Amino acid sequence: RKEVEQDPGPFNVPEGATVAFNCTYSNSASQSFFWYRQDCRKEPKLLMSVYSSGNEDGRFTAQLNRASQYISLLIRDSKLSDSATYLCVVGVGNYQLIWGAGTKLIIKP
Amino acid sequence: DVKVTQSSRYLVKRTGEKVFLECVQDMDHENMFWYRQDPGLGLRLIYFSYDVKMKEKGDIPEGYSVSREKKERFSLILESASTNQTSMYLCASSSPRQGVQETQYFGPGTRLLVL
Repeated sequence: RKEVEQDPGPFNVPEGATVAFNCTYSNSASQSFFWYRQDCRKEPKLLMSVYSSGNEDGRFTAQLNRASQYISLLIRDSKLSDSATYLCVVGVGNYQLIWGAGTKLIIKP
Repeated sequence: DVKVTQSSRYLVKRTGEKVFLECVQDMDHENMFWYRQDPGLGLRLIYFSYDVKMKEKGDIPEGYSVSREKKERFSLILESASTNQTSMYLCASSSPRQGVQETQYFGPGTRLLVL
């Protein structure tokens, strides 16, 4: 079983729709959680950190469920520019980040 | 703005060649990382360094070595390249906070093809 699991997609979503991704992690000692975004043939960039209380940044909402060991990302009013691969990342220990393989999102006009 | 640069965007090498990948960051970050990314797999950590001349093995260090002689520079070395080392190599840096992983900032990546 992978330490961080994501549905690879692709999710094909019409522009303006709401889309949600989940990510499960196996290490209950995980301390920090992130969503990164990676455009095609580019490097990953931080989208948002995920806090225990959940957090929102504009159209993006991230939630953490420690009991069930999953994090989620909700994108409202999706834009064409949201098309990318979304990487779920979990921090364990002082330095280690465990990366999911990513969920591909395609927003269609 | 954090800037992480990598010496090459694309590289083609032959089996058995020694390969050097260089990474430089300009934000005085203590931590630096080398990952490889392959289709269908998450980023996998090869090596990381939390200080000059310090290095730690990641999940897949076999066939690789690293060097960190200066704080801003972290080099990845493939001693004898093999075809299974064909991959995208990503360098990242971060600034440590006690007990908490911080945002990692990535370079643009090097696509290495080993023939």
